[in-house]
Amino acid sequence: QKEVEQNSGPLSVPEGAIASLNCTYSDRGSQSFFWYRQYSGKSPELIMSIYSNGDKEDGRFTAQLNKASQYVSLLIRDSQPSDSATYLCAVQNSGNTPLVFGKGTRLSVIA
Amino acid sequence: GAVVSQHPSWVICKSGTSVKIECRSLDFQATTMFWYRQFPKQSLMLMATSNEGSKATYEQGVEKDKFLINHASLTLSTLTVTSAHPEDSSFYICSARASWEANGYTFGSGTRLTVV
Repeated sequence: QKEVEQNSGPLSVPEGAIASLNCTYSDRGSQSFFWYRQYSGKSPELIMSIYSNGDKEDGRFTAQLNKASQYVSLLIRDSQPSDSATYLCAVQNSGNTPLVFGKGTRLSVIA
Repeated sequence: GAVVSQHPSWVICKSGTSVKIECRSLDFQATTMFWYRQFPKQSLMLMATSNEGSKATYEQGVEKDKFLINHASLTLSTLTVTSAHPEDSSFYICSARASWEANGYTFGSGTRLTVV
């Protein structure tokens, strides 16, 4: 059974701080890793994707991948109240296979 | 980017009736469509994988006779919840991938189903 684990939170950070979200996965064959943001009642929207070990930065977001530790993280710098949402970690084995999602971490950015 | 249009966005139905949810890929051909279900404060759980022109593949524990999936064309996949019951109330989301999209999958906007 392929599993993706996330701390459900809520994670509360003050506005302007760095939010750190973590995810571990069980399938060592996983090739692609994604972070999605989901607002209440809405479908997920892609924030970041990462495929190789190391860091990948996009604006205020940095994804980090460590395949040896089966660990993925997302850092959000200069957190804004509008970043308050549930962040879903998703893992894909290969090709056209479906994504496996974690339960998500609820982030609350306090103004 | 790629767009998947999902309808309806919400529906309320009586117990025992059937509800059809449609997902259309607007600017690409979706050979494969994934159907997810999300209960409150839970993750997206894959229900089934639909492939154009062939039978859908259902995940363990998902009743294929209850959740009918049709993928008759490269741009349309439908999920019909038959004889719906209150426990089927959930958020249903479809997802597909355009061949030219480098990252991830595109999701429909979701359908909130409430069975009363």
